[in-house]
Order: sequence, then structure tokens, then C-alpha cells
Amino acid sequence: DAGVTQSPTHLIKTRGQQVTLRCSPKSGHDTVSWYQQALGQGPQFIFQYYEEEERQRGNFPDRFSGHQFPNYSSELNVNALLLGDSALYLCASSLSGFGTEAFFGQGTRLTVV
Amino acid sequence: EDQVTQSPEALRLQEGESSSLNCSYTVSGLRGLFWYRQDPGKGPEFLFTLYSAGEEKEKERLKATLTKKESFLHITAPKPEDSATYLCAVQASYNNNDMRFGAGTRLTVKP
Repeated sequence: DAGVTQSPTHLIKTRGQQVTLRCSPKSGHDTVSWYQQALGQGPQFIFQYYEEEERQRGNFPDRFSGHQFPNYSSELNVNALLLGDSALYLCASSLSGFGTEAFFGQGTRLTVV
Repeated sequence: EDQVTQSPEALRLQEGESSSLNCSYTVSGLRGLFWYRQDPGKGPEFLFTLYSAGEEKEKERLKATLTKKESFLHITAPKPEDSATYLCAVQASYNNNDMRFGAGTRLTVKP
């Protein structure tokens, strides 16, 4: 079992550009959540996808959007990048249902210059 | 609003020196409390889920406990490889989709 995989591992973008991050969930999982983690902070919830739809969204602007594919993999898109978007972006997969634990990928380190 | 506060922010222990990490939470109905371990530059690694007050779970040198207001992660006779940041997160019963994380406790175990 490969677990949750994310690509790329590192990325450097210029302010104003757009970026797409990718995530493949753990085998058997149908739900994907995205988190942003700033240095020295805990992860912050961006949104969650289930059955190819955004099921819930955290307190992030519309510049952050996503998608889930029929094979449950997911993408996170960020438009009009700001310096403050520099962070570790984490994907977590889980099974839909009561209090199920989420398993995280290794993250994508995004640096905006 | 749901809140999670972890203390201390950082903890330095000698190898073999047992201690506890605290996670205080405020949530409107707890669906689950989660503990994760995170190494620098890596994603969080799942450790435990606790669902109700009085529940305890153990894994090697780690033991997690839960009350109605807080959770403790007890580390018995820690080793240098236990050095990491330990994150606590809660999931509210009215909202099954969002984990609210604390800022973590950065643990360093010296040989």
C-alpha cells in the first residue's frame, strides 16, 4: 500500500502565478482533504472533496479551488499567488463516515517569491 | 468557535525522562480527538483516535488519555527517536469534515 502520495514535493512560483498540486489517496479511501501548514503552526483546513464534490470549505478565499476525479485523486489549485501562500500543503485521505482517522501525504512545499 | 491549545510549545527531555503533553479543547460536541506525530518537512503521521472521556490508548512508549476538556499524551522512558512535533486535532460532532489542529508541541529527547 503506497499510502497518500503528493506531487510535486517542492515548488517555487512567482507572485501572481497559478499553481496546481496533486494528491493520490490511500487505497480504499474515498475522501480527500487539503490543509495549509505555515511554519511553526498546525495544519489549517482548506476544503474536503467527496464523490467529486466540495463537501466543506474552511476560511480560505476563492483563489483556492480544487477538484476530485472518479478515481478519488484530487487537485488543489491556487490562483494569483501571494507571498503569504508560501507554506506546506498537505493532502489527507480518509473513509467517509463517523470519526474516521485521516492519513496524510508528505506534503508539497510551496515557496512564492 | 472550536479551539485547540497545546502546551508546552516546546519540551526538552533527557532519554528515559517520562513526561506528558497537554491538549486543551473547546468544541460543541466532540466526535473525535486525534494525535499525530510530525517530523520536520514531513506530513503528520497518525497515532491515536479517542472518542469519549475516560478512553485510553497505548502504542509503544506513548499513551493517550481523554477527559471532557483535555487530552494528555504520556511519553514513558522516551528515546531520541521520539523527537518530533506532536499535534492534537479535534473533530466536532456537528461537523464531521474538518479537523481543527493545535499548534503542536515540539519534543526533543537528548541521549
